[in-house]
Amino acid sequence: DVKVTQSSRYLVKRTGEKVFLECVQDMDHENMFWYRQDPGLGLRLIYFSYDVKMKEKGDIPEGYSVSREKKERFSLILESASTNQTSMYLCASSFLGSGNSPLHFGNGTRLTVT
Amino acid sequence: QQQVKQSPQSLIVQKGGISIINCAYENTAFDYFPWYQQFPGKGPALLIAIRPDVSEKKEGRFTISFNKSAKQFSLHIMDSQPGDSATYFCAASTHFGNEKLTFGTGTRLTIIP
Repeated sequence: DVKVTQSSRYLVKRTGEKVFLECVQDMDHENMFWYRQDPGLGLRLIYFSYDVKMKEKGDIPEGYSVSREKKERFSLILESASTNQTSMYLCASSFLGSGNSPLHFGNGTRLTVT
Repeated sequence: QQQVKQSPQSLIVQKGGISIINCAYENTAFDYFPWYQQFPGKGPALLIAIRPDVSEKKEGRFTISFNKSAKQFSLHIMDSQPGDSATYFCAASTHFGNEKLTFGTGTRLTIIP
């Protein structure tokens, strides 16, 4: 059974802090994604990666960066957290090139920036 | 820019009734349309998906209806049960093998006894 694990369930940070959200998957998936989920806005793609050290911007990359040093790990970085980044962050993974294989999501990290 | 529009935002259905959630899209290059189901405290999980070469796909009590000319697709849940209470997201993507999904805004479904 595919498992996507996000390191923190809840996180509270102060404005201006550098924040790291970590995600690990155990199914050797090539694709990894970071989404944020906000009421009324659905899931919006921040960044994704098809391979180690490879990254591409999603629809809302401003204020975020990512790191993928190993295939199983994908980190989301908020260089200087702001209150408008308070949200639920969801990591997902999937196989590459297998006919739109399902996204497997973690259970999310609820980040509050004060 | 919302490329996939979903309605309603919330829906209350009696047990045993039919739940219907609708989505509309603009990008004619979309060729894969999945629905994801999310329970409280959990990440979304794939429920059912359809490609535009068929007009309907059924899996148990869940059916996707697809209207290519109208650029609309919908999820029907027959004989709705309290365990179906969840948030449902439609989504769409382009290119075979490209899993970069564009999601709708979500529908919170509540099934009442």
